[in-house]
Amino acid sequence: AAGVIQSPRHLIKEKRETATLKCYPIPRHDTVYWYQQGPGQDPQFLISFYEKMQSDKGSIPDRFSAQQFSDYHSELNMSSLELGDSALYFCASTRFVGYNEQFFGPGTRLTVL
Amino acid sequence: SQQGEEDPQALSIQEGENATMNCSYKTSINNLQWYRQNSGRGLVHLILIRSNEREKHSGRLRVTLDTSKKSSSLLITASRAADTASYFCATDGQGAQKLVFGQGTRLTINP
Repeated sequence: AAGVIQSPRHLIKEKRETATLKCYPIPRHDTVYWYQQGPGQDPQFLISFYEKMQSDKGSIPDRFSAQQFSDYHSELNMSSLELGDSALYFCASTRFVGYNEQFFGPGTRLTVL
Repeated sequence: SQQGEEDPQALSIQEGENATMNCSYKTSINNLQWYRQNSGRGLVHLILIRSNEREKHSGRLRVTLDTSKKSSSLLITASRAADTASYFCATDGQGAQKLVFGQGTRLTINP
């Protein structure tokens, strides 16, 4: 079965640079969530989209922005990167109607040097 | 953690034994889900239990939910070395579908 796809899987950036993370949800899933997991931490919700509209917002820095496109894929844009942004970034998808499990992608490991 | 505690934070048992992990949460929920994460890898969905359910089984997994105590437990029977991982509970509720995770239990199965 198709799973959530994230790209890139690994990303190394310098401080103050920008990064774009991409997420391709499971086919027919209309809702996408972004989570950040720091080293040794539990995942923290950043932002979510339903039908291309932002549906909820968590502890996402103002330096970050995200959107969902017409094909339901989503991109997380991160600017002015800081050392503390180094983390695993997960995307998850689900169908809003008849909500069940959230299926997670493999994550993007971002390292900021 | 924003949601609550997982107990224990780390658990080490012998292969073949049963492993029990507990999760407590703070707010009312719609669903509670358990996920497994191998070191530095993705989150694998294990099981979802709804707020009106008290117990659910899936293979070697048994999950209970006590909404009056705001707690859940995950039991893995006949553990295997491949079960070594971190286990997280996650809840959604109050009209929001975002997941709020517990701190996780690091499970080690010794051969």
